[in-house]
Amino acid sequence: NAGVMQNPRHLVRRRGQEARLRCSPMKGHSHVYWYRQLPEEGLKFMVYLQKENIIDESGMPKERFSAEFPKEGPSILRIQQVVRGDSAAYFCASSPPGGGTAFFGQGTRLTVV
Amino acid sequence: GQSLEQPSEVTAVEGAIVQINCTYQTSGFYGLSWYQQHDGGAPTFLSYNALDGLEETGRFSSFLSRSDSYGYLLLQELQMKDSASYFCAVSPAAGKLIFGQGTELSVKP
Repeated sequence: NAGVMQNPRHLVRRRGQEARLRCSPMKGHSHVYWYRQLPEEGLKFMVYLQKENIIDESGMPKERFSAEFPKEGPSILRIQQVVRGDSAAYFCASSPPGGGTAFFGQGTRLTVV
Repeated sequence: GQSLEQPSEVTAVEGAIVQINCTYQTSGFYGLSWYQQHDGGAPTFLSYNALDGLEETGRFSSFLSRSDSYGYLLLQELQMKDSASYFCAVSPAAGKLIFGQGTELSVKP
């Protein structure tokens, strides 16, 4: 049973470009969460999704950031017109239906140059 | 809003016992979790408390007092490989985790 899979592991973008981060949850998990971590800091909640639904996006910046979890395929975190301050590690986690323990992927390290 | 407080760093020697405290303020509470993170890698789930008391899992134990909005993680028989960052996290709503800033544990020989 594969764990939470994120890709790419490392992503470099120039300012103004778009970044797309992908997350495939563990088999049987229908809840996906995205977190952002800056160096030497804790993980900051961004968004909580179920298939085709955004449940809680209270941690998402109002502009440039969006997330989806389609019926088929991975969850996508999209950052438009990236700026240097978007450089961080982005972690995805998943949990089974009904909630329960969240398991994390290895993260995507985004560097904006 | 929600906030969590935990020490920024703790140092201990191999074989010792260390306790990492966490106090929290939250508008809702489903439970308190603990995660371990090595060198910025994937956070790994350690323990979860929804009710007051002690939960034991091998060398790790976690305690919760909801009336005091307080919990701790206890690590026994410390090993060098336990050197890592440890995060407490509260669930103010089903599925959502709010993390503390993390405690950097250094285990010395």
